[in-house]
Amino acid sequence: DVKVTQSSRYLVKRTGEKVFLECVQDMDHENMFWYRQDPGLGLRLIYFSYDVKMKEKGDIPEGYSVSREKKERFSLILESASTNQTSMYLCASSLLTSGRAILYEQYFGPGTRLTVT
Amino acid sequence: GIQVEQSPPDLILQEGANSTLRCNFSDSVNNLQWFHQNPWGQLINLFYIPSGTKQNGRLSATTVATERYSLLYISSSQTTDSGVYFCAGTYKYIFGTGTRLKVLA
Repeated sequence: DVKVTQSSRYLVKRTGEKVFLECVQDMDHENMFWYRQDPGLGLRLIYFSYDVKMKEKGDIPEGYSVSREKKERFSLILESASTNQTSMYLCASSLLTSGRAILYEQYFGPGTRLTVT
Repeated sequence: GIQVEQSPPDLILQEGANSTLRCNFSDSVNNLQWFHQNPWGQLINLFYIPSGTKQNGRLSATTVATERYSLLYISSSQTTDSGVYFCAGTYKYIFGTGTRLKVLA
């Protein structure tokens, strides 16, 4: 079974702090994703990565950066946390076949509920 | 960019009832997936269904890629089916805003 783990289920940080959210997958998937989920807005893609050190912006990258130094690990970084970044953060991974147009199923971690005060 | 619309946004059923959830895409998609988000926030894979029909127990899904929609059928609903159902598609996995289902005992 695919397993995607996230470093914390709940996190409370202060405004201005630098925040790291870690995600690890154990299935050798090429693709990894970070989303945030807010009530009424569904899941919105922040960044995704299709290979080590490769990344692409999603729909809402402002205020976030990412790091992928190893295939199994994808980190989301909030350089200076703000209250409007209070949200549920979800990490996912998927296998990539040939090119970026053909993918297999996406698997999600349990989520990190971040509160910025 | 591609827009994903899900309907209905909310649905309340009595246990044992059947339902159909719909997902419309504004453009063609090259992969489509249905998820169930449980009350603890975990997203569970239901179907990967870029085209055709699949069944898994009481759930089945049909995607008509040429007409840019997918349907999720839930038969004989149970209280454990409650939660939010999402569809997602394209290589960036664009998500709809979900259908919130509540099944009453």
